Amino acid sequence: ETGVTQSPTHLIKTRGQQVTLRCSSQSGHNTVSWYQQALGQGPQFIFQYYREEENGRGNFPPRFSGLQFPNYSSELNVNALELDDSALYLCASSLSNSPLHFGNGTRLTVT
Amino acid sequence: RKEVEQDPGPFNVPEGATVAFNCTYSNSASQSFFWYRQDCRKEPKLLMSVYSSGNEDGRFTAQLNRASQYISLLIRDSKLSDSATYLCVVNSPGGYNKLIFGAGTRLAVHP
Repeated sequence: ETGVTQSPTHLIKTRGQQVTLRCSSQSGHNTVSWYQQALGQGPQFIFQYYREEENGRGNFPPRFSGLQFPNYSSELNVNALELDDSALYLCASSLSNSPLHFGNGTRLTVT
Repeated sequence: RKEVEQDPGPFNVPEGATVAFNCTYSNSASQSFFWYRQDCRKEPKLLMSVYSSGNEDGRFTAQLNRASQYISLLIRDSKLSDSATYLCVVNSPGGYNKLIFGAGTRLAVHP
């Protein structure tokens, strides 16, 4: 069974740039969720995708957007990067309401 | 008020000690509760679900008090390998699998 994989593992961007993070869900999982974890904080829910549509969204601005593909993989896009966007971005997959399985995360640094 | 509140710690305990973590949540309609473990610079991993009747998994015991909106985790006979951050997690009611994380409690077990 293949787990959740994310790429890249680390990324450095400049303020104002755009970034795309990728996630491959665990085999058999149809739901993908994205979380942002700032240093010293718990993960914060960004949004969730189910059957290629956004299924729920947290308190994040529209410059955070996403996609889910037919194979259930997903992308997180962030436009107009700000310094406060520096964080660990976690992707989690699940089968409907089963427990979430997290990927290793992408550590984004915005300078 | 945060939706899920935990004592950030750190808890510094010797090997073999018993340690307890507490957590409170604000939404009385929450239905699912979990403890996740997160090692430094790694992704959160599900430690155990928390059931109303209380449940045990080896050295770990979780309790839920719905009336007080209070969740606890007890670790007996602490091992060095238990050193990590323990995240209290509540599933937000709302029809989709959105997890709300506390900021975590750090545990350091020393020889």
